[in-house]
Amino acid sequence: EAGVAQSPRYKIIEKRQSVAFWCNPISGHATLYWYQQILGQGPKLLIQFQNNGVVDDSQLPKDRFSAERLKGVDSTLKIQPAKLEDSAVYLCASSSADRTPRNEQFFGPGTRLTVL
Amino acid sequence: AQKITQTQPGMFVQEKEAVTLDCTYDTSDPSYGLFWYKQPSSGEMIFLIYQGSYDQQNATEGRYSLNFQKARKSANLVISASQLGDSAMYFCAMREGGNQFYFGTGTSLTVIP
Repeated sequence: EAGVAQSPRYKIIEKRQSVAFWCNPISGHATLYWYQQILGQGPKLLIQFQNNGVVDDSQLPKDRFSAERLKGVDSTLKIQPAKLEDSAVYLCASSSADRTPRNEQFFGPGTRLTVL
Repeated sequence: AQKITQTQPGMFVQEKEAVTLDCTYDTSDPSYGLFWYKQPSSGEMIFLIYQGSYDQQNATEGRYSLNFQKARKSANLVISASQLGDSAMYFCAMREGGNQFYFGTGTSLTVIP
């Protein structure tokens, strides 16, 4: 089966500019996650969707970050305006709706964002 | 409190030797799952091994095994016969019943020829 797709793979922008990332999860996966991974740290959950509804966005900086999953399939994450500290890898992951602990997340290749 | 704690920022191991990467966790949920992921320099997260809270035996997957000590809330990853390609970041993660996923800060493993 096809894995989680993300684009672009790399993005360089200047501070105060806007940027958007796209994610297409594995077919049939109801749950989609966006993570921010700053260099040298573990992934931090930004937002979790179940179908097209938000399950958890408690760590999403809502003054500048937004995300949507309108049709319950692919998703976009936007930063507007970007700050220097937003430089990170943005990882998208998906899993089935199964709520058992064994339910594994599958990760995309990530988008490496550099804010100058 | 941190849900997942990895106390070893960096580890070195000689090629062909075994290495243990530490992970402790914190949860009051009786049903949970523990995962280990490998992240090479290319950036993708690769699933390695899973241990369920109700599993009676320690999980094994090829050269990876998990030393699960439930009472101590630890889930250490053991890599046997290390290879140069094992050099990467390793993350311990936990899923609780609410479908939330928590990651540790990772351990950087370097395999020395």
